[in-house]
Amino acid sequence: KQEVTQIPAALSVPEGENLVLNCSFTDSAIYNLQWFRQDPGKGLTSLLLIQSSQREQTSGRLNASLDKSSGRSTLYIAASQPGDSATYLCAVGASNNAGNMLTFGGGTRLMVKP
Amino acid sequence: GAGVSQSPRYKVTKRGQDVALRCDPISGHVSLYWYRQALGQGPEFLTYFNYEAQQDKSGLPNDRFSAERPEGSISTLTIQRTEQRDSAMYRCASSPPGREQYFGPGTRLTVT
Repeated sequence: KQEVTQIPAALSVPEGENLVLNCSFTDSAIYNLQWFRQDPGKGLTSLLLIQSSQREQTSGRLNASLDKSSGRSTLYIAASQPGDSATYLCAVGASNNAGNMLTFGGGTRLMVKP
Repeated sequence: GAGVSQSPRYKVTKRGQDVALRCDPISGHVSLYWYRQALGQGPEFLTYFNYEAQQDKSGLPNDRFSAERPEGSISTLTIQRTEQRDSAMYRCASSPPGREQYFGPGTRLTVT
């Protein structure tokens, strides 16, 4: 059974810092990996999707990397802003009958202080 | 375009009652997923559909939970004889096959 762990569970940084969120998974036979952002009381917003054949994806100030062999992914946030404060969730996709069930980590709660 | 919608957004029910939660996916998305999220945790997979076919229901906790998607679009998750432990946020997502999943706002279920 796939298990996904996110470290740290919580992180507080001053505005402007570059930061890295970590995600590890136990089964390297993944289909893809998706990073989400969740704001308090809100839904999940997709940030980046990395297919199993890819090493990284970039969107604006966000960069996500994937190392399947070591069971790790990182989300790099450049020049953090108070608006980046949210919970960040890593989800590993497993292929089954052309579907893609996601196994989520527990999330990292990020606070960016002005 | 319109995103994934879910209704109701909030549902309070008494123990023992049946509830039906609705998900309206993004138009044209073949795959539809149901997840459940407890407070402070990541979502957990329940079941998913491709078109109207339920492909995997391994995440459904027990036989009080069922889901359908009869016409390959809107889906309903039904919980019979609700119990307090069923209280959670129920989330629906849709996607093209094997692609990025887009989540709805969720239904907050409270069983009293």
